[in-house]
Amino acid sequence: DQQVKQNSPSLSVQEGRISILNCDYTNSMFDYFLWYKKYPAEGPTFLISISSIKDKNEDGRFTVFLNKSAKHLSLHIVPSQPGDSAVYFCAASAAGRRALTFGSGTRLQVQP
Amino acid sequence: DAGVIQSPRHEVTEMGQEVTLRCKPISGHDYLFWYRQTMMRGLELLIYFNNNVPIDDSGMPEDRFSAKMPNASFSTLKIQPSEPRDSAVYFCASSPDRGSGANVLTFGAGSRLTVL
Repeated sequence: DQQVKQNSPSLSVQEGRISILNCDYTNSMFDYFLWYKKYPAEGPTFLISISSIKDKNEDGRFTVFLNKSAKHLSLHIVPSQPGDSAVYFCAASAAGRRALTFGSGTRLQVQP
Repeated sequence: DAGVIQSPRHEVTEMGQEVTLRCKPISGHDYLFWYRQTMMRGLELLIYFNNNVPIDDSGMPEDRFSAKMPNASFSTLKIQPSEPRDSAVYFCASSPDRGSGANVLTFGAGSRLTVL
């Protein structure tokens, strides 16, 4: 039972354009959501997060949007850069539980 | 801080052998997590500790897997006996108990295990 789903295994965008990565979840107990970026042969690195009490969080070129009623979140990267090419994981945690549940990842390729 | 340190980075072993993976969490972090990444199952939680005590080991696949945390700066994940289906990248992660980063896990670089 996949509680966090990333339905797009890959995404390709042109440098300078917007990248939009999507994530859906099924567990209504999730109250904290994160995005991680992963390069080959490295561990996932934290990118940005959002609490369920908010619907948007912005950090530089990265913005995460949360739609609780739809159980959907998205990561926007504007403008996209070739160095953003990586696998992006959506993750979620429930109150009182520190472990994260991860989606299957979306491979982003930013074309120069 | 050097971050979360895992060893070995790569391990190739034969079926039936014992495998021990090691992790040093970030100093001061009270939570330690072991995850496994495979093509089929993605990143899945195996077990996590709080203050050296196992909190949730429901993700440990079977009795061949065991994890220990004898002190705040060291944890091991052991597979005995190993099987080819255990081949995966094993990640260790840690997080603080409180503060702005409390819900953020910091991952190590991973240990890639190949069981022949």
